[in-house]
Amino acid sequence: DVKVTQSSRYLVKRTGEKVFLECVQDMDHENMFWYRQDPGLGLRLIYFSYDVKMKEKGDIPEGYSVSREKKERFSLILESASTNQTSMYLCASSLTGLYTDTQYFGPGTRLTVL
Amino acid sequence: AQTVTQSQPEMSVQEAETVTLSCTYDTSESNYYLFWYKQPPSRQMILVIRQEAYKQQNATENRFSVNFQKAAKSFSLKISDSQLGDTAMYFCAFYFIQGAQKLVFGQGTRLTINP
Repeated sequence: DVKVTQSSRYLVKRTGEKVFLECVQDMDHENMFWYRQDPGLGLRLIYFSYDVKMKEKGDIPEGYSVSREKKERFSLILESASTNQTSMYLCASSLTGLYTDTQYFGPGTRLTVL
Repeated sequence: AQTVTQSQPEMSVQEAETVTLSCTYDTSESNYYLFWYKQPPSRQMILVIRQEAYKQQNATENRFSVNFQKAAKSFSLKISDSQLGDTAMYFCAFYFIQGAQKLVFGQGTRLTINP
């Protein structure tokens, strides 16, 4: 079974802090994604990566950056956390077809910025 | 713009009943991929079923089936003999090959199966 893990289930940070969310997948998937999930808005793509060190912006990249130094790990960075970044963050991976293959999701990190 | 709409924010049915979740979309493309994902409470989101737009036959996976009406731009999910474990948030999602290079998700429908 594909396993996608995220470093924290719940996280509370203060405004202005730098926040790191880590995601690891164990099935040698090419593609990894970071989404943000908000009630009534579904999932919105923040960033994705189709290869090591490669990254592309999604719909809402402002205020975020990403890092993919190793194939299995994809990190989301909030450079200076703000209250409007309070949300559920989901990481996902897919094998080869960027969007045609099934995406496998992590359990999510619920981030609260105070 | 390519949009996806789930018009039912919440639904509730009794165990063993059949329930249909609706999803409509807007696109001018002729080929695309369609998905239903399920997010159980406090658990990971998983794929329920997928359909390719060029395939005429509706996809089925055990108790889950889709009603894909391409002309009407509708992609509903039917759950037969519903079980308590079907309680979850359900998202439809689309990949439009020529358009936005990403999955476009609907707003989600929260389904509760009551004993």
